[in-house]
Amino acid sequence: EIVMTQSPATLSVSPGERATLSCRASQSVSSDLAWYQQKPGQAPRLLIYGASTRATGIPARFSGSGSGTEFTLSISSLQSEDFAVYYCQQYNNWPPTFGQGTKVEIK
Amino acid sequence: QLQLQESGPGLVKPSETLSLTCTVSGGSISSRSYYWGWIRQPPGKGLEWIGSISYSGSAYYNPSLKSRVTISVDTSKNQFSLNLSSVTAADTAVYYCDSYSSGWFIDYWGQGTLVTVSS
Repeated sequence: EIVMTQSPATLSVSPGERATLSCRASQSVSSDLAWYQQKPGQAPRLLIYGASTRATGIPARFSGSGSGTEFTLSISSLQSEDFAVYYCQQYNNWPPTFGQGTKVEIK
Repeated sequence: QLQLQESGPGLVKPSETLSLTCTVSGGSISSRSYYWGWIRQPPGKGLEWIGSISYSGSAYYNPSLKSRVTISVDTSKNQFSLNLSSVTAADTAVYYCDSYSSGWFIDYWGQGTLVTVSS
């Protein structure tokens, strides 16, 4: 199975600043990459699919980029509601697999 | 807007079978537009895809769990179910039912239910 590796494990950012999260796949997944946001006690929420397409209702401050094995999720100006854990997921090969998550915390 | 709700026991004994049901509202489980499935998350850890099933009953399982997992659909009740046999403490997790349509990424999630495996 494809192993997804996210970095960093924890990212400390001040409100209003930009956050950049990375995700690497152990082999090419083309653009079959999704990002999710998860807050404590809640189910994950789809943010991005196709590496760069925002899901319905997702604010424009969230953007995704990359293809092949290297991907990035950027949050342009962090709002209080954006502090959460973020997961990447590949869906190019069965089984779909997730990264271990990046926690974005308040600096 | 689909809504999914898990139900089932919160405590299962080791070696027994974990059984969960997901009730779908806001849409038909017979719709050709959606696939239905299960994902789990051990406490404080990451996400693991368990398996998925189509409206027609074609099921796809994670190879790591395939020998123990069965996912089925009950169209009369607009529900689908998960059975995981021979459970151990390693199967303790929050279990999410889910749905997707245009690729193996999840559009809709249930709220999740914690299942603890313990005697």
